[in-house]
Formats: sequence, structure tokens, C-alpha cells
Amino acid sequence: QLQLQESGPGLVKPSETLSLTCTVSGGSISSSSYYWGWIRQPPGKGLEWIGSIYYGGITYYNPSLKSRVTISVDTSKNQFSLKLSSVTAADTAVYYCARVAAVTDDPLDIWGLGTRVTVSS
Amino acid sequence: DIQMTQSPSSLSASVGDRVTITCRASQSITSSLNWYQQKPGRAPKLLIYAASTLQSGVPSRFSGSGSGTDFTLTISSLQPEDFATYYCQQRYSIPWTFGQGTKVEIK
Repeated sequence: QLQLQESGPGLVKPSETLSLTCTVSGGSISSSSYYWGWIRQPPGKGLEWIGSIYYGGITYYNPSLKSRVTISVDTSKNQFSLKLSSVTAADTAVYYCARVAAVTDDPLDIWGLGTRVTVSS
Repeated sequence: DIQMTQSPSSLSASVGDRVTITCRASQSITSSLNWYQQKPGRAPKLLIYAASTLQSGVPSRFSGSGSGTDFTLTISSLQPEDFATYYCQQRYSIPWTFGQGTKVEIK
């Protein structure tokens, strides 16, 4: 059964770069039937889509974050990553990685457990 | 951005009740609408995609309908494990956006 696990620092200083990795186990990250995404949830709030990376490395980002976000894939490690630069307290959230099924309406069908990131000096 | 508005924001219901949650898009999204369930401290779980297709393994008491701008999620007979927050999400255009959530609480 495919599983996703986020990893990375739980505390990031303001103006620095947040870096998270999602490790995919139980399946290949290179399948053309799926692609991969990041979503976040500030404390006590709703969900915000950050961006997705498609087979072949094509990326789509939320325009509100686009200037600060980079999503990449490392097929040799079966991982994909998120980098968010120039963070502020507003970037404090639980960050989820997810698999996107390449079927009608691309649902986020498998999610990681989430990792809490706090931006604070 | 397409705004997704859910109603109600919260509701109280009893086990066995029929529950309906509404999601309205700020413009037509055809049937590009997914529903998720989230329990406290847990990741969201996909329930329904493409407005009405039940995800594998999800109980049949969950159903979705709608197209264009108006969508509904219905739980035909609420079970104890269904008390959670429900989110709709559109993938019609970037950025994908979620509703603000509907919290279903025990009455």
C-alpha cells in the first residue's frame, strides 16, 4: 500500500527557506498515472493548495506563492520536495504532501500524515 | 481565483440523521469538484471526486451531486465515525481552492 511521509525542520526562522521532503513508499513516484502535490493548513484554518508536479517535471503553483515556491522530484530516491523562500509567520502551518490521481478531476487520493512547521525567531 | 463557499459552516446532528452539506463555486466549474473528510489531528481523506464518484473503500452512505456552481455532499445515515470536518475542492482552474469547511458535530 502506497504511503507518503513528510520530513523536514519543524522550526524555521523568518526570511529563511522552508524545505520539506515527501518520501513515497510502496510504489513508484515515476508512474504516469499519478502526480504529486503539496497542501498546507494554518492552525485552526482551512486547506490551501501550494502546487503540484506532473510526470516529466511540469509544475503548477498557487499564484499567491509562486514567486517563493519550488517543487521538485528526485526519482532516484522516490521523493519529491517543497522549498518555500522568505518565510514569515503567515507560513506557519501543517504541510501535507499528497498523491494526485490522474483521473477525472485529479483528486488528492492519498495524503501524508502532515508535518507542522512553525516560523519563528 | 474561484471562491468556494460551504454552508453551513457547522451543524449538529444525531446518529442516523440525513446530513446535507452545500458547496457553491463563484463561477461554473462544470463537475470538477472533490470532497474530503478531515478528523482532528489527521490528514484529509478523499470521499468523492468528479462531483459524484465515490472513492474506493468509502461507505455508500456518502454521495455527491451537482454541477456548474452548486454541489452537495449527503450522508444518508450519520454514523459515529462521520463526525468530522468536510471540505469541497475545485480543480477546474489554478489555483485549486477549497471551501472553508463544514464541521459536523454530535447533537
